[in-house]
This record gives sequence, C-alpha cells and structure tokens, in this order.
Amino acid sequence: GAGVSQSPRYKVAKRGQDVALRCDPISGHVSLFWYQQALGQGPEFLTYFQNEAQLDKSGLPSDRFFAERPEGSVSTLKIQRTQQEDSAVYLCASSLGVQETQYFGPGTRLLVL
Amino acid sequence: QKEVEQDPGPLSVPEGAIVSLNCTYSNSAFQYFMWYRQYSRKGPELLMYTYSSGNKEDGRFTAQVDKSSKYISLFIRDSQPSDSATYLCAMSAGSGAGSYQLTFGKGTKLSVIP
Repeated sequence: GAGVSQSPRYKVAKRGQDVALRCDPISGHVSLFWYQQALGQGPEFLTYFQNEAQLDKSGLPSDRFFAERPEGSVSTLKIQRTQQEDSAVYLCASSLGVQETQYFGPGTRLLVL
Repeated sequence: QKEVEQDPGPLSVPEGAIVSLNCTYSNSAFQYFMWYRQYSRKGPELLMYTYSSGNKEDGRFTAQVDKSSKYISLFIRDSQPSDSATYLCAMSAGSGAGSYQLTFGKGTKLSVIP
C-alpha cells in the first residue's frame, strides 16, 4: 500500500518568507509525528498528533513553527519568517497507534537563503 | 552530552564482511530500541525493533541490547553493496509522558565496497 508522502520534496525560501510543508500519512494511521533532521544529525522530535488533536508540541524550536491536522488525516507544518537555521529535512511519520511502529515519509528538504 | 551517542563514521567495508554498528545511551528509561536504515535523500526505514535486553535476529541482521551497559548493537552478516546507507539507532521510553518520542543517534554512514 501507499506509504507516507510529503510535499514539496524540496523547498528553497528566502529568509523571512513563510513556508508550508504537507504530510499525507498512511490511511487509517491515528498518530502523526513531525521530526527535524539537520545535516549530519539524527531526526529530532518536533510535535505529535493523535487524530486532529495536537497532544505534544514540546519539540517545536520557536513560536514561528506551527503544525495542524484539522481533519485528523493530512498535516501541515508551517514555518513563519524563516531563518537560515531552519534549513533542514523535515520528516513526517505516522503510526497505527501512539506506541506502534512509526513509518517515515521521504522528507521535505528546506533550504533558507 | 547527548542522550544517545553514535559514531558517525564513515565506515567502509568490503563486500561480504561482518559489520558492527553500535550506540550508547544515558537515559535508563529507554525500553524500546530500534535500528533504522536511511538511504540518501530518503526517509528512515525500520530495520529492527527490540524491547528491553536481549538479541533479535532477522536474516542477515542481528540486534543486541545490553541495558546494564546502556549499549546496543546491530550486526550485518555477509554485507552487500545494497547495504550502503546511514544506519540510525533510535530509542523510546515506552511509557509515561512523551514516551512515544523517538530519540535518535547521529547515524553511521556505511559503505560496502564490491
């Protein structure tokens, strides 16, 4: 079946621009996670949704980062007023339940100039 | 000191060699231990999943967890060029607040030379 998909795959933004990154989880997966992977590093947790409820946003690095999942399926990670340090790969993962295996999408590679 | 330490390599081995990858960790609350494989420009893909201490084998892959030493390993037998990728260890607490959060190592970049 189809895995987790993310779009766009690549995004170049000028510093100060707003960006929106989309995640389509595996159908039927209740839990959705966003991670940030800087170059040469492992992914770091950003936020977690159970259906449409954002239950944990402790990893969001600043109030410029905002995530939503209004209908409990597709999720969008929005970054306002992008900064160079926001350049990273943003990974989305979904799972059947919160403690189940997390399946990752291919990521969106964001470059802020 | 990071919660999970992993030598980033790079590690280069000839085809057919046995590869040993490992991570150490400091958080004794970690109960679930995973190895993910990440090809260039792709997302991480789950390879092995173990709970608590012990060994788990799946084909050419063996995962070991030693909770007393806070040390986990992944062994790859008869390595193939297609095994060339970055290998990430990941851990989670499994219960309590934030237990679903995966904490990753930096990843070890492996190249298997034909």
